[in-house]
Amino acid sequence: NAGVMQNPRHLVRRRGQEARLRCSPMKGHSHVYWYRQLPEEGLKFMVYLQKENIIDESGMPKERFSAEFPKEGPSILRIQQVVRGDSAAYFCASSPYTSYEQYFGPGTRLTVT
Amino acid sequence: TQLLEQSPQFLSIQEGENLTVYCNSSSVFSSLQWYRQEPGEGPVLLVTVVTGGEVKKLKRLTFQFGDARKDSSLHITAAQPGDTGLYLCAGEGDNAGNMLTFGGGTRLMVKP
Repeated sequence: NAGVMQNPRHLVRRRGQEARLRCSPMKGHSHVYWYRQLPEEGLKFMVYLQKENIIDESGMPKERFSAEFPKEGPSILRIQQVVRGDSAAYFCASSPYTSYEQYFGPGTRLTVT
Repeated sequence: TQLLEQSPQFLSIQEGENLTVYCNSSSVFSSLQWYRQEPGEGPVLLVTVVTGGEVKKLKRLTFQFGDARKDSSLHITAAQPGDTGLYLCAGEGDNAGNMLTFGGGTRLMVKP
């Protein structure tokens, strides 16, 4: 039973480019969460999605960031016009039910040059 | 805004010693999860505590949830070098949906 998959594991983008981070939840899990870990800081919640629905995006920056979890395929976290401050590790987690344990993927480390 | 204060931030001990990591908040959590994270990897779930006063054991690790569900502790008995890593507590709020609020982490080093 494969765990949460994230790709790419490492992503380098120049300022102004777009970054697309993908997350495939564990089999049978329909709840996906994105968290960001800035250098030397703790993990911070960004967004919670179920299939085709954004449930809670209270942690998402108001501009340039968007997320989706389509009916088919992985969840995507999209960052437009990246800036150096977007450099961080982005983690996806999934769970099978509401209010249940969350299982994390290995993360995507984004570096903006 | 819910906050989780984790202490200590850093801990360096000798193999065989005992240690306790604390996770405190002024907010009530419906559950609290402990994770361990290795460099370059995602957090790995160790345990979830749900009931106030609950105690769970995982080999040499003992996890406790405070009676009021505002705090938790992780106690490691006879630490081994393999216990070295970053330990994170994360709480799911009573009224905060499903998001997890993470503590700042405790970086543990166990020297042989």
